[in-house]
Amino acid sequence: SQQGEEDPQALSIQEGENATMNCSYKTSINNLQWYRQNSGRGLVHLILIRSNEREKHSGRLRVTLDTSKKSSSLLITASRAADTASYFCATDAEAYGGSQGNLIFGKGTKLSVKP
Amino acid sequence: NAGVTQTPKFQVLKTGQSMTLQCAQDMNHEYMSWYRQDPGMGLRLIHYSVGAGITDQGEVPNGYNVSRSTTEDFPLRLLSAAPSQTSVYFCASSWTSSLSEQYFGPGTRLTVT
Repeated sequence: SQQGEEDPQALSIQEGENATMNCSYKTSINNLQWYRQNSGRGLVHLILIRSNEREKHSGRLRVTLDTSKKSSSLLITASRAADTASYFCATDAEAYGGSQGNLIFGKGTKLSVKP
Repeated sequence: NAGVTQTPKFQVLKTGQSMTLQCAQDMNHEYMSWYRQDPGMGLRLIHYSVGAGITDQGEVPNGYNVSRSTTEDFPLRLLSAAPSQTSVYFCASSWTSSLSEQYFGPGTRLTVT
């Protein structure tokens, strides 16, 4: 069962442009996390946003959370070729009938940044 | 710190064989978990542990076994490998649970023929 669903599935942009990825989920959450995965590598944590937060920044990353719409977005500004990767959102499974303390991941957005 | 390490990086098994995927972390994390990643499926939780001596099932536990005898190690055993277990396996750890940042290992690519 998938809790978060990313949109779009794939995104191709030019270096310097902004990239926006969206994540929708189905039930109430405690927090939502974003991860990046470079090809053939493990996932790397980017940002965690709690349910009582609306926006969070980290360098060129900006994450928003709208709990009324059950959605989150990840914005990467001034993208670089090195940002080419898959991006996943993850929410705590408890709110989705799963066990407390576990994460449920979406299927990811594949971002390609062309030089 | 090495973080989360996994061995082997690649493995080919024949149907019916058994093997153990190793996972270790040196960050003194209480929570550890195993995921499998299949094309177009995202990550799915296999088993997890909230501390030494405590394990529980995730979303897709069938065909896998785990134990947690120490805080550092969390091996995943395939009891009788099947082609459906061909996947990339990731181990992750964190201080507590999904409420904290997860640290992932580099993965093990398993092929079952």
